[in-house]
Amino acid sequence: EVQLLDSGGGLVQPGGSLRLSCAASGFTFRTYAMTWVRQAPGKGLEWVSTITGSGGSTYYADSVKGRFTISRDNSNNTLYLQMNTLRAEDTAVYYCARDRSGGALSDHWGQGTLVTVSP
Amino acid sequence: DIQMTQSPSSLSASVGDRVIITCRPSQSINIHLNWYQQKPGKAPKLLIFGASNLQNGVPSRFSGSGSGTDFTLAISSLQPEDFATYYCQQSYSSPRTFGQGTKLEIK
Repeated sequence: EVQLLDSGGGLVQPGGSLRLSCAASGFTFRTYAMTWVRQAPGKGLEWVSTITGSGGSTYYADSVKGRFTISRDNSNNTLYLQMNTLRAEDTAVYYCARDRSGGALSDHWGQGTLVTVSP
Repeated sequence: DIQMTQSPSSLSASVGDRVIITCRPSQSINIHLNWYQQKPGKAPKLLIFGASNLQNGVPSRFSGSGSGTDFTLAISSLQPEDFATYYCQQSYSSPRTFGQGTKLEIK
């Protein structure tokens, strides 16, 4: 069974940093691209970042480019999102998700971790 | 970026009803359209990919159709567990973008 366990969220001040993690199990992690999607309170879904299976290519939404870094550890089946220079508008539940092979869509999602950026 | 517009934004219906949700991208996306269901406090769940393909384990009362700039999600006979928010998402070009959501509520 595919399982994705998000962690690392919390309360952080504007300008601060946080690192999210996503522990994967139940599939061959290194063969799947992985994605982070966020959802601000009461709002819709926003794609944040994607990394290929090898980790060789990364992609970012304009809203986080230069501040967030996606990475992965294929030996430990873990996905990361390093978030720097956080802003109030980054407040959201962050979901990690496994991308379906060959497509920019996610077929399995973690439970989400809440990031709150506030003084 | 491709803008995705869903209609209606909210919908009230009864158990057993047939409902249809529409998604219109701002430009043609062939059949690169996916539908997700999200219940309060839970992660989204993939229902349909490639406009009309049912994800494994999704009940057959869900169906999708369309191509280009006009897509629909239909639920043939609403069940209590179907009351949720539904999102369309295009996977045609980067960045992948989502519709604003359609909240399906019990009448």
